[in-house]
Amino acid sequence: AQTVTQSQPEMSVQEAETVTLSCTYDTSESDYYLFWYKQPPSRQMILVIRQEAYKQQNATENRFSVNFQKAAKSFSLKISDSQLGDAAMYFCAYRSRSNNDMRFGAGTRLTVKP
Amino acid sequence: NAGVMQNPRHLVRRRGQEARLRCSPMKGHSHVYWYRQLPEEGLKFMVYLQKENIIDESGMPKERFSAEFPKEGPSILRIQQVVRGDSAAYFCASSPTDRGGEKLFFGSGTQLSVL
Repeated sequence: AQTVTQSQPEMSVQEAETVTLSCTYDTSESDYYLFWYKQPPSRQMILVIRQEAYKQQNATENRFSVNFQKAAKSFSLKISDSQLGDAAMYFCAYRSRSNNDMRFGAGTRLTVKP
Repeated sequence: NAGVMQNPRHLVRRRGQEARLRCSPMKGHSHVYWYRQLPEEGLKFMVYLQKENIIDESGMPKERFSAEFPKEGPSILRIQQVVRGDSAAYFCASSPTDRGGEKLFFGSGTQLSVL
């Protein structure tokens, strides 16, 4: 069964600095997708970034980028130039092409200090 | 295009009562997913439905929980005879296809509190 592990329950970053959130996953499949979702206090789940496993190039979305290491089954999220609005819970998620459900890690709570 | 709409946002029930949670997917989306989130935990998959069909209910407790997505109207997650352990945030998500790489669009969730 696929599992997603986020080993950092909490992280803190100074405004304008860079922070990296870790995520590892376990799977025997070769074709899958990885996601980072942000959940602010409003509880709304917002997609931050998406990576296709068959693509070697790391996905980027403005200040957000990933370091995808397929062999190591690692999918970390880097947030550059952190802003106060980035403060939220961040969830790493895995979804295989053949399966219906999206599996989530336990989350990392990110605090941004002014 | 309105997002995924869930109601109510908060629901309080006493033990033994029934809870009905509603989800209207985004316009044009015919695939609905329900997730449960316990405090300080990630979302746990419960059930996946298409219009009038349950496709995958492997994450759904065998008793007291049921879900439907009728031809007309919202998807309903129903919990009968609620217990305190059912207290959680329940999220609905939708997608236009069942492709594995498709991102899910989430609602804001229903917070169920069982007294």
